[in-house]
Amino acid sequence: QKEVEQNSGPLSVPEGAIASLNCTYSDRGSQSFFWYRQYSGKSPELIMSIYSNGDKEDGRFTAQLNKASQYVSLLIRDSQPSDSATYLCAVIDSSNDMRFGAGTRLTVKP
Amino acid sequence: DAGITQSPRHKVTETGTPVTLRCHQTENHRYMYWYRQDPGHGLRLIHYSYGVKDTDKGEVSDGYSVSRSKTEDFLLTLESATSSQTSVYFCAISEFLPGATNEKLFFGSGTQLSVL
Repeated sequence: QKEVEQNSGPLSVPEGAIASLNCTYSDRGSQSFFWYRQYSGKSPELIMSIYSNGDKEDGRFTAQLNKASQYVSLLIRDSQPSDSATYLCAVIDSSNDMRFGAGTRLTVKP
Repeated sequence: DAGITQSPRHKVTETGTPVTLRCHQTENHRYMYWYRQDPGHGLRLIHYSYGVKDTDKGEVSDGYSVSRSKTEDFLLTLESATSSQTSVYFCAISEFLPGATNEKLFFGSGTQLSVL
């Protein structure tokens, strides 16, 4: 069974702190990795994608990928209350299927 | 939001009745998907379509069927609804081939389905 695992949280951080969200995947042949943000009662929206080992930065967001450890993470710097949402990790596996983790709920407290 | 409309937004039905959910897109994207989202399970793929009359099963297809007679419309049918099909259903579209490095899913607003 190809799985994508995330800590369900909730993860609570104070405003201005760094929020660190983690994801592991079981299919070593996975090639593409994504982070979607989902506000309560809304649909998911893509915020980051990463395809090669290392870091990828986009504004306050940094995605990190380590294929050897089968681990992908999302860092949110200077966290804002508006970042409070559920973050979904998604992986395109070796069968070209996109698989989602169950999500981590993040709360940023003012 | 990308031009994706799901209808209805909310639906309450009884066990054993047929239910059809509609997804309509104005983006002319080739690829369309139906997902369900349940607590603790994340998004799971039900069926997908690579074009008109070209559909295939996803991870959790039992009890569901789909049809795509036009590029813009993708219908999901529960032939005989069961309580286990109570869920939030999302339609998604993509311009690029699944697995392509530039694949990006755009999601509709979702349908909350309750089967009593």
